[in-house]
Amino acid sequence: VEMVQSGPEVKKSGASVKVSCRASGYTFSEYGISWVRQAPGQGLEWMGWISGHSGDTNYAQKFQDRLTMTTDTSTNTAYMELRSLRSDDTAVYYCANYWSSVIRGTRSAGLDVWGQGTTVTVTS
Amino acid sequence: QSVLTQPPSASESPGQTVTISCSGGSSNIGTNTVNWYQHLAGTAPKLLIYDDNRRPSRAPDRFSGSKSGTSASLAISGLQFEDEADYYCAAWDDSLNAFVFGPGTTVTV
Repeated sequence: VEMVQSGPEVKKSGASVKVSCRASGYTFSEYGISWVRQAPGQGLEWMGWISGHSGDTNYAQKFQDRLTMTTDTSTNTAYMELRSLRSDDTAVYYCANYWSSVIRGTRSAGLDVWGQGTTVTVTS
Repeated sequence: QSVLTQPPSASESPGQTVTISCSGGSSNIGTNTVNWYQHLAGTAPKLLIYDDNRRPSRAPDRFSGSKSGTSASLAISGLQFEDEADYYCAAWDDSLNAFVFGPGTTVTV
């Protein structure tokens, strides 16, 4: 299993960025894709996930109004677009294949194999 | 502020065992399963433990996980210098309808 992300980005404040994540080594539709970011000196922050099967999405409330996740099943590629960028969006963005299931009321969810990360720098 | 709590740091000598705690609540650890991730600076995070205590085949058997109630723990036995990294617990939170990470624990060998 391998997740390969697009290269570093430098964007102006107020612009948008779109990061790609190409998956290989597994059946794309059997897992979702989740996105996580890490700002300088900070911990890991979950942004949301998209189903590789249905395209349904679940975004963290913090990003609801400016985040869009999509997939292209013909190329097994996921995309994360963040709009209205601010300086505090400067971070390394990671994708990972994501599982989620509920058995007897207990949810098992998590990120398995991660991409190498994409550095997004927002300048003023 | 995360809904999961971890100590900021932990240290132990080579060959010894270090244990990292992760405290949550009924809407996350108390109901759902816990994962643990290892993150070395400049590299992609790695899944060490999933479903509270299960280890992917690629993770060394020196890593083990446990859970009781609303708390979980990661134990690293036979510490090696290469284990110096940040360790994060994580779980789904039903109240937030989101996947949450703990703040991370920096392990020093």
